[in-house]
Amino acid sequence: DSGVTQTPKHLITATGQRVTLRCSPRSGDLSVYWYQQSLDQGLQFLIQYYNGEERAKGNILERFSAQQFPDLHSELNLSSLELGDSALYFCASSVGSGAGYGYTFGSGTRLTVV
Amino acid sequence: GENVEQHPSTLSVQEGDSAVIKCTYSDSASNYFPWYKQELGKGPQLIIDIRSNVGEKKDQRIAVTLNKTAKHFSLHITETQPEDSAVYFCAASEVNDYKLSFGAGTTVTVRA
Repeated sequence: DSGVTQTPKHLITATGQRVTLRCSPRSGDLSVYWYQQSLDQGLQFLIQYYNGEERAKGNILERFSAQQFPDLHSELNLSSLELGDSALYFCASSVGSGAGYGYTFGSGTRLTVV
Repeated sequence: GENVEQHPSTLSVQEGDSAVIKCTYSDSASNYFPWYKQELGKGPQLIIDIRSNVGEKKDQRIAVTLNKTAKHFSLHITETQPEDSAVYFCAASEVNDYKLSFGAGTTVTVRA
């Protein structure tokens, strides 16, 4: 157990729907990062939050949004889902706001859009 | 932005032999280079990292070397065991940068 908790582990939904993925960071970590892992794209950075504030955006679609709550858990909202959104979504956390502190990844949410 | 290339994409080794994975990066400002191991059904796990002020770092059977001039770094696994079978990712970033840029991954299979 890495200490980073992601729920749900699996999600199957239809095109056009909206889903919410949840992440609880490791105790003491203030940063949460969201990554998308697909077979042809590898691990792609989506967005980072640090202590409740958005710090950086990567290749995140406008249909996707995220937030970090006062208790530091984070949610990734995916809407108007398309078949191509099927992927593994990972959350990672770190104590500081930079990548050089080292990430701890959760076990991921596998999203299947049918 | 940073671009990390990783080779080979697959690697099959006999148990007890060594495995080497190589990565190159494009941004000369990058100074933090971690390696992650991802087992089936799990998230990537940090196994070793190196910063640019160090040329080599070792942890038991795992070692990482860094050549900043050539902008490449490598992971060496000695005396491979079946439990080393996994996907390995290299990554690079500036220490205070917000994100890691990952290589495409290497699937390592250790044959018994």
